[in-house]
Amino acid sequence: GAGVSQSPSNKVTEKGKDVELRCDPISGHTALYWYRQSLGQGLEFLIYFQGNSAPDKSGLPSDRFSAERTGGSVSTLTIQRTQQEDSAVYLCASSFPVAGGPSFSYNEQFFGPGTRLTVL
Amino acid sequence: TQLLEQSPQFLSIQEGENLTVYCNSSSVFSSLQWYRQEPGEGPVLLVTVVTGGEVKKLKRLTFQFGDARKDSSLHITAAQTGDTGLYLCAGAPRGSTLGRLYFGRGTQLTVWP
Repeated sequence: GAGVSQSPSNKVTEKGKDVELRCDPISGHTALYWYRQSLGQGLEFLIYFQGNSAPDKSGLPSDRFSAERTGGSVSTLTIQRTQQEDSAVYLCASSFPVAGGPSFSYNEQFFGPGTRLTVL
Repeated sequence: TQLLEQSPQFLSIQEGENLTVYCNSSSVFSSLQWYRQEPGEGPVLLVTVVTGGEVKKLKRLTFQFGDARKDSSLHITAAQTGDTGLYLCAGAPRGSTLGRLYFGRGTQLTVWP
């Protein structure tokens, strides 16, 4: 079946411009995550959506970053007034509670290929 | 402060050698997961360990979950160049609301021919 898709795959923008990154999760997955990954580094958590609960925004680095998830499916990460330090790969992941355990106990994640953002 | 500490951060070995990567925490986890990420791609799940003391094998990879469910290890036997990648451990602390997953910083493994 279809995996997690992200668009665009690459985005080059000028400093100060706004960008929107899109994530289409796997159908039926109730959880959706956004991460940022700089070259050669691990994953930096940005935001987490779980069902209809209020999102966990604790990882957003500044108020220039925002995300929404419409209808419990597609998500958009928006970065306003981009800065050069925003350059990174932005990864989206979705997950679904695994049967047999407490709800949300596993959250095995399926990742998209990422969007490489370059701010000039 | 990282909830999950991985070590070593970098590992460079020759083909055929064995290696172990560690993932440690002071928190108890209901489960821990290991992912591998290759350049230009998103991480891919390798295994989930659930029970304290559990050992899972995936071909040449052996995963262990500590008895106290605070740590895990990944052992690779006779490493191959195809094992090169970033290895990440992840888990949700027991009792955490909403079950958000936390990742370690990763171990970058390079296997030379």
